[in-house]
Amino acid sequence: EDKVVQSPLSLVVHEGDTVTLNCSYEVTNFRSLLWYKQEKKAPTFLFMLTSSGIEKKSGRLSSILDKKELSSILNITATQTGDSAIYLCAVGGGSNYKLTFGKGTLLTVNP
Amino acid sequence: GAVVSQHPSRVICKSGTSVKIECRSLDFQATTMFWYRQFPKQSLMLMATSNEGSKATYEQGVEKDKFLINHASLTLSTLTVTSAHPEDSSFYICSARWDSEQYFGPGTRLTVT
Repeated sequence: EDKVVQSPLSLVVHEGDTVTLNCSYEVTNFRSLLWYKQEKKAPTFLFMLTSSGIEKKSGRLSSILDKKELSSILNITATQTGDSAIYLCAVGGGSNYKLTFGKGTLLTVNP
Repeated sequence: GAVVSQHPSRVICKSGTSVKIECRSLDFQATTMFWYRQFPKQSLMLMATSNEGSKATYEQGVEKDKFLINHASLTLSTLTVTSAHPEDSSFYICSARWDSEQYFGPGTRLTVT
């Protein structure tokens, strides 16, 4: 059974801090690892990492995939209160691109 | 591009009735759509994979006779919760696969009274 584990489950920081969120996985036929941000509604896509693209960066957010360690990190620098959300890691495997989600990390950024 | 819509966004129904939720890919064709359920403070749990023109593939523990999925066209999949009970109250989210990415709909909040 495919498994995705995220840590920490929750995190409280102050504005301006840098945070690192972790995701480890066990999945057959790994295709991709995706990071999503979820606020009140459905998740919004952040990054997709694959064997051919193990590092992604967008503004203050960046992510790295370590295929050897079967893990990924999501970094957020200079956090803002608007970064407060649940960050979900999902791993896609198999021929139908099914995603298995981790439980998420609840990030709270205080002013 | 790659927009997915869901309808309705919120529904309240009485116990024992059936509810249909629609998922549409607005600007692309999706051969595969996925249905997820999310309970409060929990992650997304995949319920089933819906392939256009064929039967859905259900995850272990999901009753296929209770959660009917129809993927009648390349842009529309529907989930019908039959004989709904209060424990079916949840946030239902669909996603549509385009290329190697999944794009999520905004979700449907179902409350069964």
